[in-house]
Amino acid sequence: DGGITQSPKYLFRKEGQNVTLSCEQNLNHDAMYWYRQDPGQGLRLIYYSQIVNDFQKGDIAEGYSVSREKKESFPLTVTSAQKNPTAFYLCASSTTGTAGEQYFGPGTRLTVT
Amino acid sequence: QKEVEQNSGPLSVPEGAIASLNCTYSDRGSQSFFWYRQYSGKSPELIMFIYSNGDKEDGRFTAQLNKASQYVSLLIRDSQPSDSATYLCAVNIKGTGRRALTFGSGTRLQVQP
Repeated sequence: DGGITQSPKYLFRKEGQNVTLSCEQNLNHDAMYWYRQDPGQGLRLIYYSQIVNDFQKGDIAEGYSVSREKKESFPLTVTSAQKNPTAFYLCASSTTGTAGEQYFGPGTRLTVT
Repeated sequence: QKEVEQNSGPLSVPEGAIASLNCTYSDRGSQSFFWYRQYSGKSPELIMFIYSNGDKEDGRFTAQLNKASQYVSLLIRDSQPSDSATYLCAVNIKGTGRRALTFGSGTRLQVQP
């Protein structure tokens, strides 16, 4: 089955700890994206990558870091510098021909206390 | 002004009626437009995309684009209770200089049986 997987589905951490969210795709898509969604809100772009070993900041990159060492994988690290990390994190991928037609993984719900 | 604006709703329609969801965007140069459906607690699902002025139909869904007026709409015919969800409008805003989507905050649709 082709698709995007994110793990874990739910994640709980103590304040001050870094945490890494996994995102893997087997759609052979070049572009991958990380979004954050807060209750009742739309999606806000954290980071995106159009090609391996390259990535760009989105609107809310502060307190987050990413890597893109493989085409299939785009992990997101939520650092202790992120002031309000509790949120629903969504990973997406697309072909690079368009910025759209993005397909989303199931998401990871992160709770930091 | 937000780059992509949607009425948050809820928009309530009776079963079998036509639901009309609207979205306006700020950048006249935007080229591609997308509608995603998001059920509560789930990730967004791409349901329609449109690139050219006019209408695009897919089953019970019709996307309408008017670039001169900078709006895109989604019509859902014969609305069903299973259509109850939040509908997110997304636009590739050309002026951002990046190949990523900007999302509206979504319109919540309630279809009453």
